[in-house]
Formats: sequence, C-alpha cells, structure tokens
Amino acid sequence: EIVLTQSPATLSLSPGERATLSCRASQNVYSYLAWYQQKPGQAPRLLISDASARAAGVPARFSGSGSGTDFSLTISSLEPEDFAVYYCQQRSSWPDTFGGGTKVEIK
Amino acid sequence: QVHLVQSGVEVKKPGASVKVSCKASGYRFTTYGVTWVRQAPGQGLAYLGWISAFDGRKKYVQNFQGRITMTTETSTNTAYLELKNLTSDDSAVYYCARADTYGDKVIGYFDSWGQGTLVIVSS
Repeated sequence: EIVLTQSPATLSLSPGERATLSCRASQNVYSYLAWYQQKPGQAPRLLISDASARAAGVPARFSGSGSGTDFSLTISSLEPEDFAVYYCQQRSSWPDTFGGGTKVEIK
Repeated sequence: QVHLVQSGVEVKKPGASVKVSCKASGYRFTTYGVTWVRQAPGQGLAYLGWISAFDGRKKYVQNFQGRITMTTETSTNTAYLELKNLTSDDSAVYYCARADTYGDKVIGYFDSWGQGTLVIVSS
C-alpha cells in the first residue's frame, strides 16, 4: 500500500503567517490526492481534491499543489479558525491511505 | 444540503460485535457510495473500505477481511458498518463519508462526513 508521509508533524505559527504543509507519497499517485482539515471533536472536512482543486466553500487562502510524489498545502495567511490538524489522502491505488497528519498550532 | 447522521456511542466487551448506522439525507442515496474511516484516540485516520449504495458492491481493507461487513438499506437511506470479534484495538471513532463510486472503484473524495460514532471496547 502507498505510504503518505506528512511533514512537519507540528507547525507553530502566529495568525497572519503563511503555512506550508508537505505530503510525500511512497509511489506515484499522479494528482489523486486530497487534503482534509480536522478540528478537535469534529469530523474531517474536505479542503482540496485532485491536488489543487478547492472544495466548495473553502476560502481562497487555501491552495494545493504538486503531482507524482510531492505535494503541498499552503495557507497564505492563517486565520484563528485555521489552527487544526491537516491530513492528506491518496486514491490512486487501493487501498486509499491517509498521511499521519500535520498539526498547525498557535505559536 | 447533504447530511450524514450516525448512531450514538457504543460500549462493548472484547469478542462482541458492534453495528454502526449512518443515515443520509439531502441527496439521492443510490447515486453515491459510502466509505468508512476510523480514528483511534489521539491517532490519525484509517480507511476501512466502501460500499456502493447503487448495487451493494463493496471492498474492504485487507486487515479487516472476515471481521467487517458493510451494508446499505436503500428504503431508509442508511448505511451500516458491522465489526465482529472486537478487541481493545478497535476502540475508536468510526466515521461514514460520502464518495463517488463507479463500478468497483471510488472515483472521488470524501466530501461529506457523519459526525462520528465512538466505539469503546472494554472488559
């Protein structure tokens, strides 16, 4: 199965700063990669599909890029509600797999 | 709008079974699939498999083969996850989510999620 490695595990930033999260796949997943946001006690929320397409209602400060094995999620200017855990997920190869997550915390 | 509402907290003893429900509304149930994901306390997300609400086609992650059963009831727009022979390692929040399926594949991502069902396995 494809392993997704997210880095860093924790990102400590202040509101207004730029966040860049990384997801690396153990094999080529083409562009079949999504990003989800999860806040404490809540279900995950789809942010980005197919590496770079924002889901409905997702603010423009969220952007995704990459293809093949290296992907990134960028939050251009952190808002208070953006502090959460972010997961990447691939659907290129069965079974779908998730990365271990990156926690974006307030510095 | 799309809503997935799951059943409540379950407390089970080791060796028992649990059945979690996921009732969908706001869309045509049979035109999508339902996937199941679990999250152990303080851990990440683990994919369990999916079922088509159109034709009942299903696919389970190998680790759970033999212990897991996914079903749907189109008359009530409800999906079910049953997990047998529970151990403490199965203690987790179980989520259902909607996904586009076609044939024997999931062709989309998980765009709407249930609120999660906490399953506690303890003697």
